Amino acid sequence: GNSVTQMEGPVTLSEEAFLTINCTYTATGYPSLFWYVQYPGEGLQLLLKATKADDKGSNKGFEATYRKETTSFHLEKGSVQVSDSAVYFCALSSDTNAGKSTFGDGTTLTVKP
Amino acid sequence: DAGVTQSPTHLIKTRGQQVTLRCSPKSGHDTVSWYQQALGQGPQFIFQYYEEEERQRGNFPDRFSGHQFPNYSSELNVNALLLGDSALYLCASSLGQGANSPLHFGNGTRLTVT
Repeated sequence: GNSVTQMEGPVTLSEEAFLTINCTYTATGYPSLFWYVQYPGEGLQLLLKATKADDKGSNKGFEATYRKETTSFHLEKGSVQVSDSAVYFCALSSDTNAGKSTFGDGTTLTVKP
Repeated sequence: DAGVTQSPTHLIKTRGQQVTLRCSPKSGHDTVSWYQQALGQGPQFIFQYYEEEERQRGNFPDRFSGHQFPNYSSELNVNALLLGDSALYLCASSLGQGANSPLHFGNGTRLTVT
């Protein structure tokens, strides 16, 4: 079956540091890949997505590239801010299970000023 | 533009009881999915409703059932509650069932079973 593995957290960085959160997946077919973010006290919201190999999703300074050869979708940001402190979830939705998304366990990011 | 709304926000039930959670999808969305999120874990897919029918189901027992109404709103019912059912229940809506359709989540219902 489908699965998503995220790097274990929590991750603590200083403001303006470089961020990488690793995500690898196992899936049948040709999945779409997503990063969702959950800010304190709020619901999950879509951060970015990529729907085919070599696509790069980007939003709010965050980027992730769909790497089919390594089955990865790592999240990166060049300079984090305190307001980026949140829980980040990697997820996939497969063509063979449309609408049934599989999530990783989340990575908690804390950015200190 | 109203997003996904869920009710109630918090609920405390006793083991063996039954519970109903409600969800209104984002305006314009026709597909509703339900997820269970245990503390410190990612959401786990329960089932998805489209055109008032259950279309996909995750690895959850028959105690978990649902319904979708003609206005696309949805209910999640859990019978014979167990302590292990304590979790955050998330409703997510999307437009259609395509794999590319991102999910829009509500803030969830926190269920505590004592």
